This record gives sequence, structure tokens and C-alpha cells, in this order.
Amino acid sequence: IAGITQAPTSQILAAGRRMTLRCTQDMRHNAMYWYRQDLGLGLRLIHYSNTAGTTGKGEVPDGYSVSRANTDDFPLTLASAVPSQTSVYFCASSASAGDTGELFFGEGSRLTVL
Amino acid sequence: GQNIDQPTEMTATEGAIVQINCTYQTSGFNGLFWYQQHAGEAPTFLSYNVLDGLEEKGRFSSFLSRSKGYSYLLLKELQMKDSASYLCAVREGDYKLSFGAGTTVTVRA
Repeated sequence: IAGITQAPTSQILAAGRRMTLRCTQDMRHNAMYWYRQDLGLGLRLIHYSNTAGTTGKGEVPDGYSVSRANTDDFPLTLASAVPSQTSVYFCASSASAGDTGELFFGEGSRLTVL
Repeated sequence: GQNIDQPTEMTATEGAIVQINCTYQTSGFNGLFWYQQHAGEAPTFLSYNVLDGLEEKGRFSSFLSRSKGYSYLLLKELQMKDSASYLCAVREGDYKLSFGAGTTVTVRA
């Protein structure tokens, strides 16, 4: 079944540790995104990529980095996790700009930083 | 960037109609989306408006007025399964989508 796969589903992490959240899509979508969702704040864009080889900063990029080596994969790395990064992280993708551009979301990764 | 405002919570009775309003301010409007998100799940696409007017899809309709920076999502013949959060999102440019905080709709029997 085509879609977006995120891993891990859930993770508890000690502050200061490095963590990479993985995201893979098999829909050949050009654009990919990472959002975090916190109660009362909704979905906030962390980083995005319009196409393989390019990335851009979203609304809350500090403390996070991404790479887009190919079309399918868009990992999100927390270099040194802090408790304020406790959140649910959603990866999403969308087709080219000529489409409606609706986002397709992964099932989310729940991260707890202690 | 943009400011996107929508009510935090709404409650309605099964079979009734509920209208969720969304106002936004953006410098490069290129479409407005509504998503539904059940608790503990990923958001799923409901509707898309880029031109002024009403888009109808079964029990759900979405309206857009670009000059007023305003949209609403209308849910008719409410069912218990419609209890969820409804997210208004505005696209700026070709790809970047920003979301409001969401409106939690509770449907009561």
C-alpha cells in the first residue's frame, strides 16, 4: 500500500542525546515536510524540501536538521535533544505544484525527551 | 508568514449542522485546505479552495472569500464519527502549508 512510513512510532530519549526520525514515501512526491504537533499550538512546520537536494526552514527549525538525498527519504535529526522537543512529529509529502498540493501524512512519531 | 485563527472547541448534536470559521492573513495566498484529525491519528485531507465560493463534497462543504481572508467548513447531518479536530491550513507559494491550531468538534447524541 502506497504511503508514508515513519519510524520509530514512539521513543523516550534522554536529554542531550542525538535522535533521527525516519520518513520514507513511495508516492514519488516532490515535496516533503516535517511538522511537530503540540496541544493548543497545532501543527508547526519545522523543515521542508521542495525536491531532492533542496531543503528549507519552516516556522520552528532551531534544534533540528534535515537532509533530502533522494526523492523517497527525508530524515529529521535532533542533534542534542531537549525536553521542549517532546512532541508528536508528523512527516508529510505532496505532489508537484500543479496538483492541489494536498498533504499526505505519516502516522506520527511520539517523542518524549526526559 | 500568516496568522490563522479558528475557534478552539465546538459542540453539536447528532444530525445537526456545524460551521467552523477560519480567518487568515498571508502575503502569498495559494490555496486553503481543511483537514480532519481524529485523536491519536494523522490528519486527513477534506477539502481545498483556491477560488472564491463554495465547494461541496457530500456532507462537507467549504467556502472561501479571499478578499476577506475568510473560510468556513460546514458539516451537515452530523454523525458521532465526525467528532474530531478540524484543521484550517493556508498554502503560501507552491508548497509551504501553515496550519491553524485546530477546532475540536464534539458530537453529542
